[in-house]
Formats: sequence, C-alpha cells, structure tokens
Amino acid sequence: GQSLEQPSEVTAVEGAIVQINCTYQTSGFYGLSWYQQHDGGAPTFLSYNALDGLEETGRFSSFLSRSDSYGYLLLQELQMKDSASYFCAVVSTDKLIFGTGTRLQVFP
Amino acid sequence: GAVVSQHPSWVICKSGTSVKIECRSLDFQATTMFWYRQFPKQSLMLMATSNEGSKATYEQGVEKDKFLINHASLTLSTLTVTSAHPEDSSFYICSAETSGSFYNEQFFGPGTRLTVL
Repeated sequence: GQSLEQPSEVTAVEGAIVQINCTYQTSGFYGLSWYQQHDGGAPTFLSYNALDGLEETGRFSSFLSRSDSYGYLLLQELQMKDSASYFCAVVSTDKLIFGTGTRLQVFP
Repeated sequence: GAVVSQHPSWVICKSGTSVKIECRSLDFQATTMFWYRQFPKQSLMLMATSNEGSKATYEQGVEKDKFLINHASLTLSTLTVTSAHPEDSSFYICSAETSGSFYNEQFFGPGTRLTVL
C-alpha cells in the first residue's frame, strides 16, 4: 500500500523553529512537495524536493532523503499566520499522494 | 500566476438531489484536472483524475456512477454528485495541472463545501 505519515499536531511560540517530519512508502516517486492549508481554504504550494538535500525558500526550508524515504519541512521565525495544516505530498507517476497532515498551532 | 476557481463555494442540498461543482482554470489551459475530497481535520483524498476529452480515471473505492466527472474543455471540469446523501457532505477541492510542467505541479481551487441535509 501507499502511506505518508506525519505527526498530527505541533505547537510552538512565535519566533520559534519547528520541524514537521514526513515518512513515506509509495510506488512511483518523483519528489516530495509540501503544502499549507488554512482552515476552509485551498492548499497552497510551499516547496518541492526532487533530489536529496535541503531547499530553502525564505523562512521555510524542506529536506529530502530518498534513501530513507523521509523528508521534513522546517519553519523558522514562526508567526501567528503560520498556524495552519501542513501536508507533505509525494509526486507520483501521475498524481499527488497527500500525507496525513500536521496541524501547527503558533502561540504568542 | 495560475488561478483555479470553483463554483459554488458552498452549497446546501436535500438528500437525494444532485449537485454540480465547476472547476475552471482562469489563465491557463489544463490538460489534467483532479478532484479531491476532504473530511474535517483529514487529508485530501484523490477521487479522480480527468483529462480533457476522455473519461475520468477514478481511484479505488470511488463510485463512478455517483461522482460524475466531465472535462469538456481545457479550462473546465465538472463534478456532479448524484443522489447526494448526508455522508457525501464534505469539502471538495479541484486542482489543475498544466502541460509542460517539469513535475506534476498542481494549482488548487478554493474548494466547495457541500452539506447534504
């Protein structure tokens, strides 16, 4: 079967750093994407890793280890507006397969 | 940027009725569109993949006769929930993929919240 596991919930305070992990087991793997979704909203694209290593985009960074079937999203200098759900998604042969999702709550 | 719209944004209907949801790519042509369903506090579950001019490909466990998908043009796909029941109440999200993407970059619509009474 195919599975992408994430922690269900993470909490942190403003200005902190959090890491959201994603372990996956899928058939057909081209890369790992990360999406943010606020309550009632659409998923918005954050990052994509096709190769091993770290990709940095502003306050957000994403890491991939293909040999370990593992990736993470690193959020730095947390802001209240970062409170949302975060999903990893495997870019498979012809579709996206979404992870279980992590709800991030940022406190003042 | 690539914009995808959905209409309606929310709908309430009686059990047994059919509901049509539209998904449009506003500023690009979408060779492939996807339909997802998301229950509260859960992940996005792919329901089906639709390609312009051909029959949709449904994921395992999704009833094709209940969830009718039509992709009549490169900018429009529709999802019709036939004979809706309360268990069909969910957040339905579409996405569109452009041709020429170096990977499966999908642009998501704002979603449609369906409530079946």
